[in-house]
Formats: sequence, structure tokens, C-alpha cells
Amino acid sequence: NAGVTQTPKFQVLKTGQSMTLQCAQDMNHEYMSWYRQDPGMGLRLIHYSVGAGITDQGEVPNGYNVSRSTTEDFPLRLLSAAPSQTSVYFCASSLVRGSEQYFGPGTRLTVT
Amino acid sequence: DAKTTQPNSMESNEEEPVHLPCNHSTISGTDYIHWYRQLPSQGPEYVIHGLTSNVNNRMASLAIAEDRKSSTLILHRATLRDAAVYYCILLSVGFNKFYFGSGTKLNVKP
Repeated sequence: NAGVTQTPKFQVLKTGQSMTLQCAQDMNHEYMSWYRQDPGMGLRLIHYSVGAGITDQGEVPNGYNVSRSTTEDFPLRLLSAAPSQTSVYFCASSLVRGSEQYFGPGTRLTVT
Repeated sequence: DAKTTQPNSMESNEEEPVHLPCNHSTISGTDYIHWYRQLPSQGPEYVIHGLTSNVNNRMASLAIAEDRKSSTLILHRATLRDAAVYYCILLSVGFNKFYFGSGTKLNVKP
């Protein structure tokens, strides 16, 4: 199993650009989530999904959209990038809600 | 949402036990206590979780106070590879959200 994969590893955007961060898991997990981590801080939940077709907002959802058309994939879309969205983004999955989460390696995003 | 309080940093000597405390005075009866750790430049990694009873696994032990208002993650023999930020998180059954605090940065000295 590859576990949780994220692409790209690094990305630089200009203010106002949009892009999609990809996340995929091959463990048939129901629950998937996106976090951001700013320098020296803990993780903050952006959006999560409890299954295909079901998504909900986390702690800091503004400026981000998600969709979950398949069990495997959970892309995160930045609508109009802002410097405040410069961060490291982590995707995670778990078998069911509340169980052990597996994290991807992260995407380091810089918005100039 | 229930909150946790952890020391910002702790230091340990290699091959000695480490006790990482976490206070969660507002915990409810259905909240699970989860611990994750994050090594430098990596995503968080699951360590252990429990509800009421003490728990052991190959990585660590979790000691939960009788009133559940605090818990302690125990690393029995710290190694240099255990240097990481350790997060204590509460998760309610039926809720779908994980809230990470700032965690405890553990430094292990050789």
C-alpha cells in the first residue's frame, strides 16, 4: 500500500491564482481530512469528509473548497490564493471517523 | 470543543523514560484521548489512544487519571528518534473533527 499520497510536494503561487492540491489513499478509508500547519504552530482542520459525496467544514474553511467523488481521492482547491494561505498542507485518512489517522507527507505552499 | 493543555517543551536523556503530561479538565464521558507525534519535516504519526483504561502498544503507554481530567504519555526508553512534537487531542464519539493544539516539543539528549 502507498498509504496517503499528496501532490505536489512544493508549489509557489502568485496572489489570485487558483490551484488544486491532490490527495489520494489506497486503504479504502471512509474518513479523509485536510489540515494546514503554519510555522511553529499546531495543525488546524480545514475540511473533512466521512465518505464519498459527503464533506463538511473544519476550523478554518474560508478560501478553500473540497469535493469527494470517490473513496480514494479528496482534492483541496484554493479559489484565489492569498499570502495568508502560505503554509504546509497535510491530508489524512482513517478507516472510520475517530480511528487512527494516517497522514500524507505534506505540500509546502508559498503564495507571493 | 474540549481543549487540552500541554507544556511547550520538555527534555529527556536518551534511554531514560519520558512522561509527557496533558490536562483536559473539560473532558466529557465520551471523549477519546488521542496522542500523535510529528517528527521534523514530516506529517503527524499516530501514537496511541484510549478512553478510560491505561493502554499499551509497541510505541508507548497511555496512563489516564481516574477522573479523566489528565493523562500521561509514557515513552519507556527515549531514543534520539523520539525527538518530536507530541500532540494530545480529544475526540468525541460521533464528532468528526480533530483539533490539534500546539503540542509539547520533546528534545532527547544523547
